[in-house]
Amino acid sequence: NAGVTQTPKFQVLKTGQSMTLQCAQDMNHNSMYWYRQDPGMGLRLIYYSASEGTTDKGEVPNGYNVSRLNKREFSLRLESAAPSQTSVYFCASIRGLAGRTGELFFGEGSRLTVL
Amino acid sequence: GQQLNQSPQSMFIQEGEDVSMNCTSSSIFNTWLWYKQEPGEGPVLLIALYKAGELTSNGRLTAQFGITRKDSFLNISASIPSDVGIYFCAGQPINTGTASKLTFGTGTRLQVTL
Repeated sequence: NAGVTQTPKFQVLKTGQSMTLQCAQDMNHNSMYWYRQDPGMGLRLIYYSASEGTTDKGEVPNGYNVSRLNKREFSLRLESAAPSQTSVYFCASIRGLAGRTGELFFGEGSRLTVL
Repeated sequence: GQQLNQSPQSMFIQEGEDVSMNCTSSSIFNTWLWYKQEPGEGPVLLIALYKAGELTSNGRLTAQFGITRKDSFLNISASIPSDVGIYFCAGQPINTGTASKLTFGTGTRLQVTL
């Protein structure tokens, strides 16, 4: 039972380079999310997709784009990486039970360093 | 955005001790959640709370949804080495029906010594 799978787990970029973080879930969840985690900041929502075919901005969307490729996959793209985007990125999905909107399932994270 | 104050920031305790941590918000929440994150892993849900005053246990863990709806507490009894990790609270503001509105606390780092 894989759950939420993220790739790559580690990546080092130079300023200005682009890259895409991939996320896939095998739990048939409707909603998927991308968070970043920085020391002392908690988890902050970058973008989310409430359902296949929709995407919306979260708290910190600048510098990122997303694609909900299908129900399983939700990718996060950095078009021109900046050192401020050095962080650990987490993909998450949610069961979507009525009223149970907090039970997120997270991937293992992707650690990105921008030099 | 919303602000969640989580305390303490870190704890160093001996195996067998009980642990308490809490989270407070400046606004009312209708959901409180507690997650645990181990090194190199993503957060894992421990306990979810949906009603003011609710007290829920998961093994040695007990969490409560504060009556004011602005706070929540997590207690761990008889700590063991595998309790090591970072514990996050998360809350969802009232009248929001989507996890996109979840706000996470900054975490409590727990270290357990033998």
